[in-house]
Amino acid sequence: DIQMTQSPSSLSASVGDRVTITCQASQDISNYLNWYQQKPGKAPKLLIYDASNLETGVPSRFSGSGSGTDFTFTISSLQPEDIATYYCQQYDNLLTFGQGTRLEIK
Amino acid sequence: QVQLVQSGAEVKKPGASVKVSCKASGYTFTSYGISWVRQAPGQGLEWMGWISAYNGNTNYAQKLQGRVTMTTDTSTSTAYMELRSLRSDDTAVYYCARGPPTDYWGQGTLVTVSS
Repeated sequence: DIQMTQSPSSLSASVGDRVTITCQASQDISNYLNWYQQKPGKAPKLLIYDASNLETGVPSRFSGSGSGTDFTFTISSLQPEDIATYYCQQYDNLLTFGQGTRLEIK
Repeated sequence: QVQLVQSGAEVKKPGASVKVSCKASGYTFTSYGISWVRQAPGQGLEWMGWISAYNGNTNYAQKLQGRVTMTTDTSTSTAYMELRSLRSDDTAVYYCARGPPTDYWGQGTLVTVSS
């Protein structure tokens, strides 16, 4: 099974800050990686697909990069409505999620 | 627009079974698989398995093998997930999602297992 190691597990940042989350796969997954945002009581929402493609309607402050085993998710300027938990997910072989990153406002 | 609408919350006793439904609309049902993901209270997302809506092929998470069955009814564009021999640690919100890649998700179904 492919393991996904996501870090950090929690993050506190100020409005306007640049925020970065990383995800490492236990083996090469090419670009079969998605990033999701989940707010309390809601289903996950797809933000980035195929590692770097912005889902329609998602603000451009969200971005993703990487391929192979190392991936990065960035919020260029944190907004109050971005408070949520973020997950990476590989779908190269079945599905595996990262452990999640809880993002809080400082 | 693509929608996945799940059945309502369930309360079950340990040892019982639960069957959650997921009705799809807004796309050709047989063109995509359906994945099932669960989330225990305060925990992360756990993939449970996947079913092809085209031919019914399935792939289940190893830890659930033997307790879970996923099926589809193409006549009603509905997917089902049945989990048997329920335990307290099966208490979770259960989600269906189109794919992979899991681009559209249902609203979630809370299953509570308690004596």
